[in-house]
Amino acid sequence: QKEVEQNSGPLSVPEGAIASLNCTYSDRGSQSFFWYRQYSGKSPELIMFIYSNGDKEDGRFTAQLNKASQYVSLLIRDSQPSDSATYLCAVKDSLGYQKVTFGTGTKLQVIP
Amino acid sequence: EAGVAQSPRYKIIEKRQSVAFWCNPISGHATLYWYQQILGQGPKLLIQFQNNGVVDDSQLPKDRFSAERLKGVDSTLKIQPAKLEDSAVYLCASHRIAGTRTDTQYFGPGTRLTVL
Repeated sequence: QKEVEQNSGPLSVPEGAIASLNCTYSDRGSQSFFWYRQYSGKSPELIMFIYSNGDKEDGRFTAQLNKASQYVSLLIRDSQPSDSATYLCAVKDSLGYQKVTFGTGTKLQVIP
Repeated sequence: EAGVAQSPRYKIIEKRQSVAFWCNPISGHATLYWYQQILGQGPKLLIQFQNNGVVDDSQLPKDRFSAERLKGVDSTLKIQPAKLEDSAVYLCASHRIAGTRTDTQYFGPGTRLTVL
């Protein structure tokens, strides 16, 4: 069973700080990695994806991928109260129709 | 571009009753997924369709759950009979085609099922 692990949190950071969210995965052959944000009572919405080792930046968000260590992280700079949500890590495998496996999510609380 | 549509948004039933959910994916999206999300957990894949064929239903409890996607467009997910542990949000998602590493899923608003 392919696994995606996240710390459930809650992770509390003060407004304006950097929030760091981490995810590890078990399938070394995984190809693509996604971060979704999910507000309470809402469906997941894509923040960004990454598939090459290194960093990928999009506005206040930076995804980092290290395939050798099998982890992917999401940094949120200048955290805002509106960033308070659950962040889901999703991993797409390398086989066939490329099943996507989600982690349990990390709840982020940004304190004003 | 219209998003993924789902109905109903909420459903309350008693255990042992039946229930059905409907999903209309984004136009042109060949791949459709049904996920179950229990409170506090991540989405769990129940079934994945490519056009109207099933490509993964390994986690679908087939003794009580069934799903179909006629004509490769709309899909229905049915639970018969429901159990208390089926209380969850059922999410439908779609993307254009599986097999590309960057193509992403788009989620519908979900159906919140409560089994009493």
